[in-house]
Amino acid sequence: SQQGEEDPQALSIQEGENATMNCSYKTSINNLQWYRQNSGRGLVHLILIRSNEREKHSGRLRVTLDTSKKSSSLLITASRAADTASYFCAFDRGSTLGRLYFGRGTQLTVWP
Amino acid sequence: NAGVTQTPKFRVLKTGQSMTLLCAQDMNHEYMYWYRQDPGMGLRLIHYSVGEGTTAKGEVPDGYNVSRLKKQNFLLGLESAAPSQTSVYFCASSRRDEQYFGPGTRLTVT
Repeated sequence: SQQGEEDPQALSIQEGENATMNCSYKTSINNLQWYRQNSGRGLVHLILIRSNEREKHSGRLRVTLDTSKKSSSLLITASRAADTASYFCAFDRGSTLGRLYFGRGTQLTVWP
Repeated sequence: NAGVTQTPKFRVLKTGQSMTLLCAQDMNHEYMYWYRQDPGMGLRLIHYSVGEGTTAKGEVPDGYNVSRLKKQNFLLGLESAAPSQTSVYFCASSRRDEQYFGPGTRLTVT
């Protein structure tokens, strides 16, 4: 499969704790993106990191990329109940314009 | 600015029936995509388009056809629906990197 793989499949934490999700892939990439999906809704883009970047921040989100290990991690700091959602990584191999390969997602539950 | 819209939101079909799902975007994006989402499978690309009048096959194209006659619209057709096509279908559009998704169409084939 050309899809990414997220780990863990499910994560349950308390409000205020940090949540870390990991993504691994098998091919060379142009960029890697993270998306959030609330139950019953479409996906929403969170952050993009390019293959020549190692770390990127956006608000409470921190993404790292290790191209030698073909892996990425998404850290959400000080989680809130509103962060409860599924999180997907998606990577662009750069060979076909705009096409993304999605992982199977991590279901994050944040308890009040 | 509505973003990406999908019609219909829900549909139930009998095996063998046909239908067309409509996706529309008002962001003047060149690229448009159709995905299906099944439990435990993530999103899988059905077909995509890199511009008006162009289409290309994705990961799971069998049983589906698409058309992009206008830049803002991307249609997904099921000629003869099968129970295996029961899924949630998402349309997305992009300028290049970040994709914008519609709210989805939940399709059940009985």
